[in-house]
Amino acid sequence: SSELTQPPSVSVSPGQTASITCSGETLSDQYAYWYQQKPGQAPVLVIYKDIERPSGIPERFSGSSSGTEVTLTISGVQAQDEADYYCQSANSSDNWVFGGGTKLTVL
Amino acid sequence: QVQLVQSGSELKKPGASVKVACKASGYAFAYYAINWVRQAPGQGLEWMGWINTNNGSPMYVQAFTGRFVFSLDLSVDTAYLQIDELKTDDTATYYCARGSGAAGFDFWGQGTLVTVSS
Repeated sequence: SSELTQPPSVSVSPGQTASITCSGETLSDQYAYWYQQKPGQAPVLVIYKDIERPSGIPERFSGSSSGTEVTLTISGVQAQDEADYYCQSANSSDNWVFGGGTKLTVL
Repeated sequence: QVQLVQSGSELKKPGASVKVACKASGYAFAYYAINWVRQAPGQGLEWMGWINTNNGSPMYVQAFTGRFVFSLDLSVDTAYLQIDELKTDDTATYYCARGSGAAGFDFWGQGTLVTVSS
């Protein structure tokens, strides 16, 4: 089992807001990262250091952190946002760990 | 532009070895770590470890010690993942990813599918 817990699936209608959570003890003092993975493609970094957005990532992607939980929010969801999303952080041994992934479905 | 280009898919028999290449371009190779990530069919991402491209020192997650070897060829800016004594459970897509410290895994290779089947 993963040390980072994500909901297996989230569904949202186009134009609405999707929120994907990730919880874990070490998130209170370690940064979180979020990756988007579309079928047959490599993951893409969409959020780093909890809230930062890499260049080229649309502004509708944002991150937040509160205690032992972090959240990826996608505002104005588009059909192209349908993908698997993974959170990542460091564990107590300073190893990288990924959450189990959340499948975002755009209805 | 930064690119990580991996070698092509492999079909191997149990007990054989495979070596996956990850060729970097568009940046100073020795300034960034290379991480390796496994994704079994239909499953999530699993971090295998990383290699320090400055001194060649590898670090393996416990589940990937023994049969897995990370290496470098600095003359061609390429990192390698070798898996020995392949098992059917090793069937997966293997990704290399550039490690940018606090900036996360900012660039990924396209993945290499390794299929182990008799």
